[in-house]
Amino acid sequence: GAVVSQHPSWVICKSGTSVKIECRSLDFQATTMFWYRQFPKQSLMLMATSNEGSKATYEQGVEKDKFLINHASLTLSTLTVTSAHPEDSSFYICSARVPGNYEQYFGPGTRLTVT
Amino acid sequence: AQKITQTQPGMFVQEKEAVTLDCTYDTSDQSYGLFWYKQPSSGEMIFLIYQGSYDEQNATEGRYSLNFQKARKSANLVISASQLGDSAMYFCALEISYDKVIFGPGTSLSVIP
Repeated sequence: GAVVSQHPSWVICKSGTSVKIECRSLDFQATTMFWYRQFPKQSLMLMATSNEGSKATYEQGVEKDKFLINHASLTLSTLTVTSAHPEDSSFYICSARVPGNYEQYFGPGTRLTVT
Repeated sequence: AQKITQTQPGMFVQEKEAVTLDCTYDTSDQSYGLFWYKQPSSGEMIFLIYQGSYDEQNATEGRYSLNFQKARKSANLVISASQLGDSAMYFCALEISYDKVIFGPGTSLSVIP
């Protein structure tokens, strides 16, 4: 099946700094990737939909200037958390869709801790 | 508004027994899809099963089957012959457009030896 990777798997950063998370589709081209955030013992919340070559579509309540998404190629999307604060600490998961397929393939997730 | 409800925050099942995890949904769309995902403690999301709104037969994948009752807007997951490795969070999800999938709050399943 299709494989999606994320890097890093975990990161600790200081408050006020920025951190970049990469999401790659390893064996297929993904025109659309999705970014989710999951707080402990909660469900996945869609943050934004990332389309290759165009601006991301953000869900209501998600600050697009704080969570910068770049989908520069058909296999790579990045999420940059700018000026991170402790409340941004969460599990960030990306997923990608195989064109013409209903299934979303999820990355393993990135656990962000902001101190 | 589209919504997914999972009313069982936690469930216990004896090993080798079957268990049903409930899911109800609300959408005004005629065409939609329903998913079930498993999330073990490692955090990865594992796809289990998919049901399209126009599929006449209930979906099955190995030990997983989806009891789809369209009129009741319910899509319950049935796991047969539970195994210890089935202990995890289970999320029901509704695809409301090609670019959007919303997840339910999840059910924590514990399999007892």
